[in-house]
Amino acid sequence: QQQVKQSPQSLIVQKGGISIINCAYENTAFDYFPWYQQFPGKGPALLIAIRPDVSEKKEGRFTISFNKSAKQFSLHIMDSQPGDSATYFCAAPGVSGGYQKVTFGTGTKLQVIP
Amino acid sequence: NAGVTQTPKFRVLKTGQSMTLLCAQDMNHEYMYWYRQDPGMGLRLIHYSVGEGTTAKGEVPDGYNVSRLKKQNFLLGLESAAPSQTSVYFCASSYSLHSSYNEQFFGPGTRLTVL
Repeated sequence: QQQVKQSPQSLIVQKGGISIINCAYENTAFDYFPWYQQFPGKGPALLIAIRPDVSEKKEGRFTISFNKSAKQFSLHIMDSQPGDSATYFCAAPGVSGGYQKVTFGTGTKLQVIP
Repeated sequence: NAGVTQTPKFRVLKTGQSMTLLCAQDMNHEYMYWYRQDPGMGLRLIHYSVGEGTTAKGEVPDGYNVSRLKKQNFLLGLESAAPSQTSVYFCASSYSLHSSYNEQFFGPGTRLTVL
């Protein structure tokens, strides 16, 4: 069973600051590491994903940094805004019974205060 | 294009009662999943399906059953509800195994309370 350890569990950041969420994973045979964003009362939605043939991927204010040798990847939110307040999940793919599945981290609740 | 829809949105059950949660997707996805979300525990996979007529157990399958009689529908059943099954349930779907970017599309969730 793929284990994914996510930290911190909660995070409070001032508007304009940088939010950083970290994840560590175990072995994987696939090359896809997504981050999902979930607003209260909604289902999670894909925010950004990275393939480990690159060490960093940036989309607007959101950046994933990937360290394959350390089996770690992190989400950086630059210039954090109150609208970024949500729960963030990292995920790592794995194989069970011959089929691909994704194991999610336990989530980080981000609050951006004005 | 409605994406992934779930029925019902809310439900309250008494211990021992049964119910079925319905998930439907209109994206012609092969894979479908049922998760439960509990505070501090993230999303845990209950059961999943890799195609019509095929289902498999996930991380926390006990107390649940599933069926995928049609490609677009994935049903989650609770035969005898227990208070430990109080949770928010999410259905998701994704493209086939052979896609490198296997994005999962989630429904809006069903909040279930078992008294």
